[in-house]
Amino acid sequence: SQQGEEDPQALSIQEGENATMNCSYKTSINNLQWYRQNSGRGLVHLILIRSNEREKHSGRLRVTLDTSKKSSSLLITASRAADTASYFCATGRSQGNLIFGKGTKLSVKP
Amino acid sequence: DADVTQTPRNRITKTGKRIMLECSQTKGHDRMYWYRQDPGLGLRLIYYSFDVKDINKGEISDGYSVSRQAQAKFSLSLESAIPNQTALYFCATSDAMGTSGTDTQYFGPGTRLTVL
Repeated sequence: SQQGEEDPQALSIQEGENATMNCSYKTSINNLQWYRQNSGRGLVHLILIRSNEREKHSGRLRVTLDTSKKSSSLLITASRAADTASYFCATGRSQGNLIFGKGTKLSVKP
Repeated sequence: DADVTQTPRNRITKTGKRIMLECSQTKGHDRMYWYRQDPGLGLRLIYYSFDVKDINKGEISDGYSVSRQAQAKFSLSLESAIPNQTALYFCATSDAMGTSGTDTQYFGPGTRLTVL
């Protein structure tokens, strides 16, 4: 059962542009996390935002969380070719484990 | 050295064979997880363990079993492999407090399993 759904499924941009990915979920959460996966490799944690937070920054990453709309967005500013990867949101509830979405495939063209 | 390692990295086997995938971690985390990833389906949880004596089924445990040999080792077995178990398998760890497994997870590099 998928909790988070990313949108769009695929995104292609030019180097230097900003990339925005969205995640919607269905039930109440404790936190929401974003992970990156380079092709065929393990996932790498990017950022965690708790349910009582609205925005969080980490380097070129900006995450927002709107619990009333049950949605989150990940913004990557000034994208680089090395940002090419799949990005997953994962939601955490008070009981249970992380539930991952299906991912957004980002392609950054040089 | 990588904090979470998986062996083998690639495996091709035949239907009906027993397969074991191994995961080791040097992060000192109590919690370990096994996921499978299929194209277009994201990650799905197979089994998880919050400590050596605690093993729990995840979303898709049928056809799989696990063993937590030590804090640092968590193995996944396919007793009789079938083609629809062809997938990318990931082990992950976390150092969570509390009763849920919702803190940051650290993933191994994955095992690509093909069942013919």
